[in-house]
Amino acid sequence: SQQGEEDPQALSIQEGENATMNCSYKTSINNLQWYRQNSGRGLVHLILIRSNEREKHSGRLRVTLDTSKKSSSLLITASRAADTASYFCGGSNYKLTFGKGTLLTVNP
Amino acid sequence: DADVTQTPRNRITKTGKRIMLECSQTKGHDRMYWYRQDPGLGLRLIYYSFDVKDINKGEISDGYSVSRQAQAKFSLSLESAIPNQTALYFCATSDRGQGGSYNEQFFGPGTRLTVL
Repeated sequence: SQQGEEDPQALSIQEGENATMNCSYKTSINNLQWYRQNSGRGLVHLILIRSNEREKHSGRLRVTLDTSKKSSSLLITASRAADTASYFCGGSNYKLTFGKGTLLTVNP
Repeated sequence: DADVTQTPRNRITKTGKRIMLECSQTKGHDRMYWYRQDPGLGLRLIYYSFDVKDINKGEISDGYSVSRQAQAKFSLSLESAIPNQTALYFCATSDRGQGGSYNEQFFGPGTRLTVL
């Protein structure tokens, strides 16, 4: 079973707008990770948030974690066309399991 | 040079053929993983290895086998390829996390496999 489920499946916004993606998971986790994938390429790690953390920032990225709701969100502020990619969350328990991803399109 | 390399990058083969995909890493990580990615299904874990002597099945190991030849090398084999194994295959590595958790994974560039 998948530990991460992203929502929405696809998101299209204009450059400069903020993009918010959500992730839900099923069982308890040690940490939750967000990755980015440009078309057909390998995933690149963006940010890791531990189960005892509620919010974490990295540049234009802001991640929140609500363990009571088993959910996380990724906010990308002031989006750029180069942010166009698929974004995956992965819940880490005894193994890291990914969801199906959110395809973000940022229009110039 | 890339930290995680995969060979070949593209491969077209026929049903019933044996195929080996290779992965090498220079990051010095203990843990290595094989995933496949299909449109609409995301990434699914095939096998993972915590060290040379520790190999584990993932979500979808049927039809696949692996070999951890050394800390730096982890190969994936399809003993008798079938068309529904057509997919994008990724190798990844990570070091040990605290308390059994997983640290970030570093992915290779992927191998696009087509089985006719």
